[in-house]
Amino acid sequence: SYELTQPPSVSVSPGQTARITCSGDALPKQYAYWYQQKPGQAPVLVIYKDSERPSGIPERFSGSSSGTTVTLTISGVQAEDEADYYCQSADSSGSWVFGGGTKLTVL
Amino acid sequence: QVQLVQSGAEVKKPGASVKVSCKVSGYTLTELSMHWVRQAPGKGLEWMGGFDPEDGETIYAQKFQGRVTMTEDTSTDTAYMELSSLRSEDTAVYYCAVKTPGNWFDPWGQGTLVTVSS
Repeated sequence: SYELTQPPSVSVSPGQTARITCSGDALPKQYAYWYQQKPGQAPVLVIYKDSERPSGIPERFSGSSSGTTVTLTISGVQAEDEADYYCQSADSSGSWVFGGGTKLTVL
Repeated sequence: QVQLVQSGAEVKKPGASVKVSCKVSGYTLTELSMHWVRQAPGKGLEWMGGFDPEDGETIYAQKFQGRVTMTEDTSTDTAYMELSSLRSEDTAVYYCAVKTPGNWFDPWGQGTLVTVSS
């Protein structure tokens, strides 16, 4: 079955830039979406269609795509950004897949 | 604005079935593509299936085919997810979520914890 691969964890100090990657063979053909999830809460969309930012999401969140890898970048990380982040995309059959998730720790 | 409110926590024994509901407000269910995603304790998000408006069919993740049934009651704008033959590995928070025409999930319900334990 199709998989999206994320690093289990990323750690950065406040004010630094965090980059979270998501790799999958179908990503050159399928858009990726990113969600932030804090403990005990439902996921919240932070990036759609690889690089678009929904209204209400701070400008420090951005997304990019290159080949089989998409990247969520958080510039000037703040303590409130500490959360789990998940990428989402589709496989060739139209099924939806989530990455395994990345825990962002703000040191 | 769409809002989703799910039913309360459930405790089930292995082998039993569970049916979780998701009440829609702000829109009618027929206008939406409702999907279900689960999250085991300390684990990641797992897509289970949902309604595909392009062909009018409900599609299920291969892992759950034969064990999950997703239905809708349009008279009450309530979606349901029933999972049968429960085992301990099905212990998870189950979310309903709307798949937008742009193919992202938003909004999400608050989640329903299903615990499978003897």
